[in-house]
Amino acid sequence: EVQLVQSGAEVKKSGESLQISCKGSGYNFTTYWIGWVRQMPGKGLEWMGIIYRADSDARYSPSFQGQVTISVDTSISTAYLHWSSLKASDTAMYYCARCYTYLDAFDIWGQGTTVIVSS
Amino acid sequence: DIQMTQSPSTLSASVGDRVTITCRASQSIDTWLAWYQQKPGKAPKLLIYKTSNLQGGVPSRFSGRGSGTEFTLTISSLQPDDFATYYCQHYNSYPWTFGQGTKVEIK
Repeated sequence: EVQLVQSGAEVKKSGESLQISCKGSGYNFTTYWIGWVRQMPGKGLEWMGIIYRADSDARYSPSFQGQVTISVDTSISTAYLHWSSLKASDTAMYYCARCYTYLDAFDIWGQGTTVIVSS
Repeated sequence: DIQMTQSPSTLSASVGDRVTITCRASQSIDTWLAWYQQKPGKAPKLLIYKTSNLQGGVPSRFSGRGSGTEFTLTISSLQPDDFATYYCQHYNSYPWTFGQGTKVEIK
């Protein structure tokens, strides 16, 4: 079965660092892009950025450029979303999703990771 | 950035109704548009890609059309399982962006 499995919920304090993960299985991870999407409580979907392979630069939405880092370790079929210093406003659900090319929709989504940041 | 605007924001409908959601882009995106369905507490699910292509396993009552800046998602006969929030998303150029969502409620 093709799936993306995300790491578990996190409760952190402002200023702390955090990395959440997204592991792909059931398909050739290296031939797909992985993107990240934020959903704040009760709000809509926000595209954060996307990465193809570990040797490719990630592309970010201007809203998230400099705020997060997207990376990938193809040897373990896992993508990451990293914050160096969390803010309370980072409290949200974060989804990873895959697409086949940069001109393709997200066809498989992870189950989501809840991040709660207290001030 | 290309802005995506959906209308309406909320739609009240009954089982069996024909429902249409509109998505407008602030500039041309050719046909690089997807539609997703999201139910409470769940991840979004891809319904339609490249404006009008039905994702595998999606019922044929869903259809999409459009090009350039105006797009529609139509549900030909609303079923109980279709009550959810729907999002359009362009992938014409970075950054990709989503519409604000349309919640389809039971009338």
